[in-house]
Amino acid sequence: DAKTTQPNSMESNEEEPVHLPCNHSTISGTDYIHWYRQLPSQGPEYVIHGLTSNVNNRMASLAIAEDRKSSTLILHRATLRDAAVYYCILRGGDTGRRALTFGSGTRLQVQP
Amino acid sequence: DSGVTQTPKHLITATGQRVTLRCSPRSGDLSVYWYQQSLDQGLQFLIQYYNGEERAKGNILERFSAQQFPDLHSELNLSSLELGDSALYFCASSVQGLARNNEQFFGPGTRLTVL
Repeated sequence: DAKTTQPNSMESNEEEPVHLPCNHSTISGTDYIHWYRQLPSQGPEYVIHGLTSNVNNRMASLAIAEDRKSSTLILHRATLRDAAVYYCILRGGDTGRRALTFGSGTRLQVQP
Repeated sequence: DSGVTQTPKHLITATGQRVTLRCSPRSGDLSVYWYQQSLDQGLQFLIQYYNGEERAKGNILERFSAQQFPDLHSELNLSSLELGDSALYFCASSVQGLARNNEQFFGPGTRLTVL
């Protein structure tokens, strides 16, 4: 699986936008970019995914670079509840394997 | 609430013992995945089942096994337990296991402590 690189940690203030970067320079043409997050003491939770175009949903936006070698998860107004570890994951591979490969993620702290 | 249930929530046992973790996927989901999360290894994929059949294996030890039953619930069996098996075990499900763009829904996990 292609590798992703994320900062270990980031800090934000409540109600401010947060941009979480992810580098994936070896991404293949068929890899989807997925973001999951894990709140304290909970299982991971799907946030958003995309292939080539920018994506928006009720939780966040995903901005994908034109060459697809990097992407940014955008939380428009961070809340205390958004404090979590955010994982950027590439999903591709052979037809038999659809598991998620988690890296170390970015730990987001949100200050009141 | 993701719709995925896992039991038990906590499990404390001794080295050398055997335990069974249970997972019920979301209604209609055919794929079940098992993941292990430990402090030193992070979140690691163990094994996947799709509609009752083993589909993919990750870093699963030979002492560990799993199965998916006709009603689609799954069990992860851990035997000859060692201290290093202490971890959080998550089950996830997805509606169609073979697509790259389907999201996975995770259960709340089972915390296993081996003493």
